[in-house]
Amino acid sequence: GQNIDQPTEMTATEGAIVQINCTYQTSGFNGLFWYQQHAGEAPTFLSYNVLDGLEEKGRFSSFLSRSKGYSYLLLKELQMKDSASYLCAVRASNTGKLIFGQGTTLQVKP
Amino acid sequence: GAVVSQHPSWVICKSGTSVKIECRSLDFQATTMFWYRQFPKQSLMLMATSNEGSKATYEQGVEKDKFLINHASLTLSTLTVTSAHPEDSSFYICSASPPGFYNEQFFGPGTRLTVL
Repeated sequence: GQNIDQPTEMTATEGAIVQINCTYQTSGFNGLFWYQQHAGEAPTFLSYNVLDGLEEKGRFSSFLSRSKGYSYLLLKELQMKDSASYLCAVRASNTGKLIFGQGTTLQVKP
Repeated sequence: GAVVSQHPSWVICKSGTSVKIECRSLDFQATTMFWYRQFPKQSLMLMATSNEGSKATYEQGVEKDKFLINHASLTLSTLTVTSAHPEDSSFYICSASPPGFYNEQFFGPGTRLTVL
């Protein structure tokens, strides 16, 4: 079966660092994606990992360990506008379709 | 960057009517598009893969006769919710990947469907 787990909610303080974890068990693996979604809007692409290691992109970094079925999204220097849902998604095959986790709602407080 | 549009952005309809939602790739051709559904405070659930010129591939549990998908051109896929009921009220989102952008899916802005 396919299973992707993320924490449901997280809270952090403006200016701090937060790490959002994602574990997955899928029938295949062809890449892991992180998306940001504000309420009522479509998801926007943040990062993509297919090999083990850390991918850094400005304030956002994403890490992948394929042997552990584990990824995390690291957000640095948090801003109020980072309050959103963060979706972990796995591409389990070469068909392109994505399987999404339930999403983590991050609330950034002053 | 690649742009995907959806129309309408929101629609309210009566129970029993049919609603058509359009998904367009504005600056690229997409042989494959994906349709998702998202209920409040839940994540995206893939409904079907729309293939240009052929039948859509539906995920398990999605009724193909209720959610009709037509991908008649390389820039347009439509999702028709037939005989809509209140439980079909949801946020419907499509996505597509431009050629050469295999590692990134671009999402449309979504369509909010409310069935009374």
